[in-house]
Amino acid sequence: DAMVIQNPRYQVTQFGKPVTLSCSQTLNHNVMYWYQQKSSQAPKLLFHYYDKDFNNEADTPDNFQSRRPNTSFCFLDIRSPGLGDAAMYLCATSRDTDTQYFGPGTRLTVL
Amino acid sequence: AQSVTQPDIHITVSEGASLELRCNYSYGATPYLFWYVQSPGQGLQLLLKYFSGDTLVQGIKGFEAEFKRSQSSFNLRKPSVHWSDAAEYFCAVGAKEYGNKLVFGAGTILRVKS
Repeated sequence: DAMVIQNPRYQVTQFGKPVTLSCSQTLNHNVMYWYQQKSSQAPKLLFHYYDKDFNNEADTPDNFQSRRPNTSFCFLDIRSPGLGDAAMYLCATSRDTDTQYFGPGTRLTVL
Repeated sequence: AQSVTQPDIHITVSEGASLELRCNYSYGATPYLFWYVQSPGQGLQLLLKYFSGDTLVQGIKGFEAEFKRSQSSFNLRKPSVHWSDAAEYFCAVGAKEYGNKLVFGAGTILRVKS
């Protein structure tokens, strides 16, 4: 089945230690998104790639960066995680402005 | 500014009872409307969507939703709830004019009692 895959499902890191989360998709969608979802809150869009074009949300901290080496893969890099960055990170994909399909998420814990 | 309101933070229904989850939006464009469901520790699963056409849309798992433009609402319904429907439900709104950005409601947690 075509799907959005996120690895790892659970990630533990130390305060200030860089961490990378991975997303891959078999849907061949041209748009990939990263959302942050804190406990009991709605998902918050961090940024998205429309094809190779990177689109950052105005309020996304500089600590968060992303890479998309090809159509199928997208990475979220957190350069210096703080305690406030502990959250569920959701990857989603879409074809242009059509429906967004989400992966299962990566739960990040910062010690 | 665009906004989505889900007035009910928690709803508890008995198994077999009917369900309606409310969603109201404020949007400066013709909206695309979505309902997603999220089980604990999981990603968001698409239940149904409305882009245009028939204002009553059918989704997966027996859910349906009705778009009422005059009320700016897109309420989710199910005639008979199952225990497995217990989860958090998010209404989301997008529009072609706003590119790829979805605006999510705060979510409604559904509890099902036997």
